[in-house]
Amino acid sequence: NAGVMQNPRHLVRRRGQEARLRCSPMKGHSHVYWYRQLPEEGLKFMVYLQKENIIDESGMPKERFSAEFPKEGPSILRIQQVVRGDSAAYFCASSPSEQGISPLHFGNGTRLTVT
Amino acid sequence: EDKVVQSPLSLVVHEGDTVTLNCSYEVTNFRSLLWYKQEKKAPTFLFMLTSSGIEKKSGRLSSILDKKELFSILNITATQTGDSAIYLCAVGSGGSNYKLTFGKGTLLTVNP
Repeated sequence: NAGVMQNPRHLVRRRGQEARLRCSPMKGHSHVYWYRQLPEEGLKFMVYLQKENIIDESGMPKERFSAEFPKEGPSILRIQQVVRGDSAAYFCASSPSEQGISPLHFGNGTRLTVT
Repeated sequence: EDKVVQSPLSLVVHEGDTVTLNCSYEVTNFRSLLWYKQEKKAPTFLFMLTSSGIEKKSGRLSSILDKKELFSILNITATQTGDSAIYLCAVGSGGSNYKLTFGKGTLLTVNP
């Protein structure tokens, strides 16, 4: 859905570098969700954020991954010291209401390749 | 663990054919079932189903949910080459619509 903007579209990092993925939700949406799609796998939930709050990070790997959604600016998914297994498509979705009563609308994704 | 299984994994048809895609699920505290179409980029929302037996329709696409048998089907009639995509089924569980469990998708190829 063109309304959720993610950048960059493609990101190449060497092992050990940091990756920063950005997501601007649709206009009027204040709830952001990150999903990861590994090769040959379905999309998997990572984290749910509202402005300045992490609501549910139950799908986030315990180490090296963090997410934020500041009062101003886009949501950021940060992966430190990337490894080859982090290569995946990372999708962001947004919704206007709490608990995702409305269906999620996804951005075009960031395809991360770790070399 | 919540599980969503789609079948077939891939399907090749000719323009004008009708196709039926299947999605079965096992989740705790079901809330909704959603269908998405994924081409080369974002999964695009198609339908959200919460009640059994009520068909949702949008043009040539329709979908229905059976909460007793725990499955849903997505029908596409008079297929066109533009319908070629991966069709994803996802289930919202644990009382929410945001923590979706996705199936691996059905790759549909429509040949002219």
